[in-house]
Amino acid sequence: AQKVTQAQTEISVVEKEDVTLDCVYETRDTTYYLFWYKQPPSGELVFLIRRNSFDEQNEISGRYSWNFQKSTSSFNFTITASQVVDSAVYFCALSDGWKLTFGTGTRLTIIP
Amino acid sequence: DGGITQSPKYLFRKEGQNVTLSCEQNLNHDAMYWYRQDPGQGLRLIYYSQIVNDFQKGDIAEGYSVSREKKESFPLTVTSAQKNPTAFYLCASSTIAGGQGSDTQYFGPGTRLTVL
Repeated sequence: AQKVTQAQTEISVVEKEDVTLDCVYETRDTTYYLFWYKQPPSGELVFLIRRNSFDEQNEISGRYSWNFQKSTSSFNFTITASQVVDSAVYFCALSDGWKLTFGTGTRLTIIP
Repeated sequence: DGGITQSPKYLFRKEGQNVTLSCEQNLNHDAMYWYRQDPGQGLRLIYYSQIVNDFQKGDIAEGYSVSREKKESFPLTVTSAQKNPTAFYLCASSTIAGGQGSDTQYFGPGTRLTVL
C-alpha cells in the first residue's frame, strides 16, 4: 500500500529563516508522481509542485525549492527567507492510481 | 475566471438528515473527486469520477453518495448512514490526459459540515 509520512507535525521559525519540510513516501510502483500542496487558513488546497519518479532534478521556484531523492524515498520542500505569508499547513501527496495519498501535513508558523 | 466552486461554505445538519454539497468546475476537466479532511489528518478520498455518468468509490465511501450527470458538476450527498459526518469536505478536478496518477488535481475552497 502507498504511504506518505510527514513526521514534522508543527514547525515554527522566525521570519527570514530557512525551513525544510520533510516528506518520506512508500510505494511499490516504478512510475509515480509526488505533489506538494499548501493549505492556508482559508482552507483551500493550493498546488505547488508535481514531480514524476523519473525526474530527480531538484527544482527551484523563487524562494521555494524541492529535493527529490529516490534512494531515500524522500521529497523535501525548503522555503528560503521565510515570510509570514508562508504560514500554512503543507501537504505532501503521492499518486495512487487515480487518487492521491496524502501525508498528515506539517503546520508551519512564521513568527514576525 | 476558471476554477472550482463549492457551496455552501458552512453547513449545519441535524442528525438523521441527508445533506448535499455542491461542486462545480469550469476548467473543462474530465475527472472530479471528493475528499474528506478531519482535524490533524490528511485528506481521504470518498468518491471520484472520470467521466459523466460513471464514478468509483474511494477509501471511505460508506454513508456517502454522488452523481455525475454533467461534466462540470459532481454533487456529494452525506446520508444519515454516515456515522461521523462532521468534517471539512474538499472537491477537486483534473484532466486525465496524462494517464493514471499523473494529472494534477486542483481543489475548491471546501465546505465545512457540522452535525448538531
